[in-house]
Parts: sequence; structure tokens; C-alpha cells
Amino acid sequence: AQSVTQLGSHVSVSEGALVLLRCNYSSSVPPYLFWYVQYPNQGLQLLLKYTTGATLVKGINGFEAEFKKSETSFHLTKPSAHMSDAAEYFCAVSDPGGYNKLIFGAGTRLAVHP
Amino acid sequence: NAGVTQTPKFQVLKTGQSMTLQCAQDMNHNSMYWYRQDPGMGLRLIYYSASEGTTDKGEVPNGYNVSRLNKREFSLRLESAAPSQTSVYFCASSPQVFGNEKLFFGSGTQLSVL
Repeated sequence: AQSVTQLGSHVSVSEGALVLLRCNYSSSVPPYLFWYVQYPNQGLQLLLKYTTGATLVKGINGFEAEFKKSETSFHLTKPSAHMSDAAEYFCAVSDPGGYNKLIFGAGTRLAVHP
Repeated sequence: NAGVTQTPKFQVLKTGQSMTLQCAQDMNHNSMYWYRQDPGMGLRLIYYSASEGTTDKGEVPNGYNVSRLNKREFSLRLESAAPSQTSVYFCASSPQVFGNEKLFFGSGTQLSVL
């Protein structure tokens, strides 16, 4: 069975600092991997996804993530945090051979302070 | 640009009452999903519909029923609400049901069962 672990339910950074949100997955087959963001009182929006090909994936709003098969990780990074990045971030995995039934991590709430 | 529309946005029920959450999408997507979001647990799939006329159970289907009324609409029914069903419910859609598809989310329904 697939699973996703997000290390750290809350992360706090200063504006302009590096953002690093950690995601590790468990899957019996190479999975598809996603990062979604949820702003207050809104639904989730896709930040980026890895399906096949290049392991460094660039997304919206300056975020990127790298798929590392040997470490079963898909950490999300952004070089310089902005106040508008404050939100909850979810890592998710799906089985390429199955239907689009995403398995989500518990989420990491990012706070950005001046 | 409506996207995925959910109604109602808020609802309070008493234990044992029934209600239906409505979801409609205007993007001509084939696949639709219902998730629930609970603190510290991320999102969990309740039911999904790969295409019009089909529905299947997700990770946590007990206590729920769904209807794919047509290609646009996918409703979630609680026949006898329980306090354990207090949650935020999200409807989502995707063009197809394949595992690499982006999900488009509604803004959610916050349900409290007393």
C-alpha cells in the first residue's frame, strides 16, 4: 500500500529565507508524486507534479521539487520565501497503474514572518 | 470561471439527520471525487466516479453514498449523520481518471455533526 509522510506539521521561516518542506513516500512501484497548496478557506491547488522524465520539477510561484528514488523523497523547496507563501502544503502520491486515487500526507503548515 | 462549485459552504446537523452535499463542475471533466479533510490526517478519498454512470469506493466510504447524476454533477449523501463525520468535505474533478492527472478542487463544505 502507498503512504506519504510529511516531516513537520508546522514550519516557520523568515521572509526571504529558504523554504524546505519534506515529503517521503512508500510505494511498491515508481509512483506519480504531487505537491498541492491550500490557502485559507480555499480548496487545494496543484503546485507541481512528477510523473516521468526529469527528476527536478518546477512548479508555480517559484517552487520546485526533486524526485529522489533512492531516498524515496520528493521535498519541496523555494529559494526565497514570500509572505504570500503562507499556506498549508500537501504531498500526495498515486499509483501509475491505477485510477487517480491520490494518497495525501497530513500536510505542513508554512508560516512566513517578516 | 466557476470551475468546481460545492453547496452548501457550511452545515450543522444533529446526529441521525441526513443531508446531501452537492458538487458541480463546468470543465467537461470525466472524473469526479469526494474527499474529507481532518486535522493531522490530510485528505482521504471517500468515493470517486471515473466517468458518468460509474462510482467506486475510496479509502473511507462507510456512512456515505454517492450519485453521479450526469457528467457535471456528483453528490455525496449522509443517510444518518454521526459526530465522526464532522469534517471539511472537498469535491474535485479531473479530465480523466489516470494517475497523472491534475485534480481541480472546490472550496469545500464545512460540516459539523452534533
